[in-house]
Amino acid sequence: QVQLVQSGPEVKKPGASVKVSCKGSGYTFNQYGITWVRQAPGQGLEYMGWISAYNGRTDYFQKFQGRVTMTTDTSTSTAYMELTNLRSDDTAVYYCARGIGGKNSYLDPWGQGTLVSVSS
Amino acid sequence: DIQMTQSPSSVSASVGDRVTITCRASQGIGNWLAWYQQKPGKAPKLLIHGASSLQGGVPSRFSGSGSGTDFTLTINSLQPEDFATYFCQQADSTPWTFGQGTKVEIK
Repeated sequence: QVQLVQSGPEVKKPGASVKVSCKGSGYTFNQYGITWVRQAPGQGLEYMGWISAYNGRTDYFQKFQGRVTMTTDTSTSTAYMELTNLRSDDTAVYYCARGIGGKNSYLDPWGQGTLVSVSS
Repeated sequence: DIQMTQSPSSVSASVGDRVTITCRASQGIGNWLAWYQQKPGKAPKLLIHGASSLQGGVPSRFSGSGSGTDFTLTINSLQPEDFATYFCQQADSTPWTFGQGTKVEIK
């Protein structure tokens, strides 16, 4: 079945960087995009950006411009999201999701989530 | 950015009830709307895309309607496994944006 499996939880100090991985299986990885969404504790869902696994084209939410880098490795069907200069308010569960539909904008399935905790 | 306003923020209902959740977009998005279900500690799950198309494997008691700016998710005959939080998402233009969520609780 189609599945996205993310890397494990991370604990970081303010100012550090984190890189979360998302490995796809059960489908042709380079035919879809991967969207990254985060959810702070008890909060809603926030779009971070999108990457095409076909050509590497990215779309980053302006809020994260300059701090986020999304990449893919089609040889291992893995997407990565790196967030730098972490702050306490970056503490959240980070999800990857496959984009489907005409605009790659419907998200299915989602990875299980990666908790990133930022604390001094 | 397109703002998505979802209501109510929570609803108490009993098994067998019909529940309706609404979502309003700050500008027209055609039918580029999705609904997701999220249970505690789990990732969201796509229920409906294209405003009214049921994703494969989703029970037919879930239905969606609307176009333009106003959308509705209806759950007919609420089941115990439906108690969860529901989010709408506009899928028309980036940044994809989500409603703030509606928690469906047991009455």
